[in-house]
Amino acid sequence: RKEVEQDPGPFNVPEGATVAFNCTYSNSASQSFFWYRQDCRKEPKLLMSVYSSGNEDGRFTAQLNRASQYISLLIRDSKLSDSATYLCVVKAAGNKLTFGGGTRVLVKP
Amino acid sequence: ETGVTQSPTHLIKTRGQQVTLRCSSQSGHNTVSWYQQALGQGPQFIFQYYREEENGRGNFPPRFSGLQFPNYSSELNVNALELDDSALYLCASSTGTSPSEQYFGPGTRLTVT
Repeated sequence: RKEVEQDPGPFNVPEGATVAFNCTYSNSASQSFFWYRQDCRKEPKLLMSVYSSGNEDGRFTAQLNRASQYISLLIRDSKLSDSATYLCVVKAAGNKLTFGGGTRVLVKP
Repeated sequence: ETGVTQSPTHLIKTRGQQVTLRCSSQSGHNTVSWYQQALGQGPQFIFQYYREEENGRGNFPPRFSGLQFPNYSSELNVNALELDDSALYLCASSTGTSPSEQYFGPGTRLTVT
């Protein structure tokens, strides 16, 4: 079983719609959680950290469910520019970031 | 832009050869982490350097090695290249030994034929 698993997609989303997807992690000792965004053939960039109480950044909402060991990302009012691969990232104690395989989102007019 | 630079941008090598990839960290950062990203997959942690010492390693064989210099720039060396080493190699810059945020460079795309 992979340490961090994501649905690879693609999620085809009409412009203006809402899309949500999850990521599951296997290490119950994981301490920190993030969503990174990666555009085609570019480097990953931090989208947002995920806090235990859930957090929102504009149109993006992240949730953490420690009991079921998953995190989620919801994008409201999708824009064409939201088309990207969204990488779920988990950090246990120490220095290693563990990435999921990514969920591809395609926003279409 | 993150201020993290990598060179070269692209590289083509033959199986069995050796390669050195370079990374300059963002100003003020003393930690560099290296990742391998195969096509269609997420980045996989190779190792991390903090103040010129290796500070954690992923599941990569010893032919993957690295260095960090006093100015905190870093090199990734891969010996005896294999076809499966073809990937995007990313370095990430941060501060401290347990960074909550890392800033990635644009990557080096290595093709092994």
